[in-house]
Amino acid sequence: GAVVSQHPSWVICKSGTSVKIECRSLDFQATTMFWYRQFPKQSLMLMATSNEGSKATYEQGVEKDKFLINHASLTLSTLTVTSAHPEDSSFYICSARATGTDLYGYTFGSGTRLTVV
Amino acid sequence: SQQGEEDPQALSIQEGENATMNCSYKTSINNLQWYRQNSGRGLVHLILIRSNEREKHSGRLRVTLDTSKKSSSLLITASRAADTASYFCATGSRDDKIIFGKGTRLHILP
Repeated sequence: GAVVSQHPSWVICKSGTSVKIECRSLDFQATTMFWYRQFPKQSLMLMATSNEGSKATYEQGVEKDKFLINHASLTLSTLTVTSAHPEDSSFYICSARATGTDLYGYTFGSGTRLTVV
Repeated sequence: SQQGEEDPQALSIQEGENATMNCSYKTSINNLQWYRQNSGRGLVHLILIRSNEREKHSGRLRVTLDTSKKSSSLLITASRAADTASYFCATGSRDDKIIFGKGTRLHILP
């Protein structure tokens, strides 16, 4: 089946530094990937839609200059948290949909736990 | 953005009992999905029901969808300790986005 690999699974960084998270579709191509953020004991909030070869579409209230998304190929999207602060500590999850398949076929990565100290 | 509410927010039942969780949403949808998430981990896709379907079964899971009321329910029969997790409904629409509800934390008591 479709597999999405997300790395790293956890990361600790110092305040003010940047962190890059990768979301890779292993056995299928994905023109569209989605990035979510989840705070403890809360639900997943959609941050942005990553489109291969074009700019990402951000949800209302999400700072595009802080959360940089790059979708340079059909199998890789990256989320970079720039100038991270403790309030950015969260669980980040990506999802992807295989192109040319059932519209409803979404696959999720295993998530990245970011801790900013 | 989030679609709506899940009810209840938390549920504790004895092992062997049935667990029912409800989900309401606000906008028109193409499909509704249910996911399970164990503490601090990724999502497990449980079941998808399309907007033109009313009921779907998968093993011990039964999902209903009422588009007129914009609501769905997930029934887990004969619950097991391993069912302890958070359960989320998520709606899919024409713009390809999946929007999650707030979730229900289910705790199965031994």
